[in-house]
Formats: sequence, structure tokens, C-alpha cells
Amino acid sequence: GAGVSQTPSNKVTEKGKYVELRCDPISGHTALYWYRQSLGQGPEFLIYFQGTGAADDSGLPNDRFFAVRPEGSVSTLKIQRTERGDSAVYLCASRIGGSGDNEQFFGPGTRLTVL
Amino acid sequence: AQKITQTQPGMFVQEKEAVTLDCTYDTSDPSYGLFWYKQPSSGEMIFLIYQGSYDQQNATEGRYSLNFQKARKSANLVISASQLGDSAMYFCAMSRGDSSYKLIFGSGTRLLVRP
Repeated sequence: GAGVSQTPSNKVTEKGKYVELRCDPISGHTALYWYRQSLGQGPEFLIYFQGTGAADDSGLPNDRFFAVRPEGSVSTLKIQRTERGDSAVYLCASRIGGSGDNEQFFGPGTRLTVL
Repeated sequence: AQKITQTQPGMFVQEKEAVTLDCTYDTSDPSYGLFWYKQPSSGEMIFLIYQGSYDQQNATEGRYSLNFQKARKSANLVISASQLGDSAMYFCAMSRGDSSYKLIFGSGTRLLVRP
């Protein structure tokens, strides 16, 4: 079956612009995560959705970052007034949900470059 | 706060030999999970192996095994019979025993398998 997909694969934008990054999780997966991976580092947690609601957004760095999942499937990460420091690979992962099933399946990521 | 430490930025191993990648963790949670992910140069995160904090036996998945030493708070990955395709970044990660299962990652170890 299809894995987690993310679009676009690459996004180049200018400082101050608005960007949207999309994640399509595995069908039936109720849990969805966004992570950010800067060059040479491990991924850092941003936000977690269970269904439509953001159950944990403690990793969002500031109020320029926002994410939605209106129908409990596709999620969009939105970044306002982008800064050069936002340049990174944004990874999305999904998990089937519920207790006892731990594996998160990752998408290929979106590489964001802010000029 | 939870923390994952990977002290080996880079490792070399000869093809067909075994290699151990180190991971130590810090948490005050009684329940947690430990993961290893592989990230090839293509960028996707590939799940390798999982160990629960209450699991009595070390996890194994094919050529991968996790050497779990709870008292020492270590969760080293052992790869047996290394193959050229094992060359990649390897990340150790931890999840809390709550409902979020969000992952905290280490900084990674780059493994290079020599022919």
C-alpha cells in the first residue's frame, strides 16, 4: 500500500513569504506527527495530531508556525513570514493510533530553503 | 526532561563484520520506548527496531539487535554481517509512555561500510 507522502519535495522561498507544506498519511492512521530536521541533526518534534485535533503542539518554535488537519487525514504545516533559520527538512510521520502500536512511518520530507 | 545521546558522530566497519552503535538516554518516566531509525542519503527515515522499557528480552529484527541495559540507560544497536547498503545515518530515539508517542531523537551516527 501507499506510504506517507509529502508535497512539495522541495520548496524555495524568499524571506518573509508564507509557505504551506502538505502531508498525506497512510490511510487509516489516526496519529500524525510533524518533525523538523536541520542539517546534521536529528529530527525535532513539532506537533502531534490525534484525529483532527492537535493533541500536542509543544514543539512549534513560535506563532509563525501553525498546522491543521481538518478532516483527520491530510495535514498542512503553515509557516508565516519565513526566516532563513526556518530552512530545514520537514518530516511528516503517521502511526495507526491507539495504545500498543508504536511504529511511526515517515514520509520523504519537504526540503525548505528560505533565501 | 528526556534526552538521547549518541556519542559517535561517525563509524567505519568492514563488510561482513558486526558493528555496535551507541545510544544512552535519560528519562524519569517509568514507561518509555526506544527506537532505531536508518536514514540513507535519500533522506527517508526507515524504522529498524523497537524496545519497550518493560520488555524482558532484547529486541531482534533480522540482522539488527538492540542491546538494552536498563540500569545503565543504554540501548545500543548491533548490526551483524554488515552490508554495503548499511552505509547511512542511524538515529536512536525515545518515546514517552504517554498517549502521544512523540519521538525524541539523538544527533545520529554516520556508518560507513567498507568493502
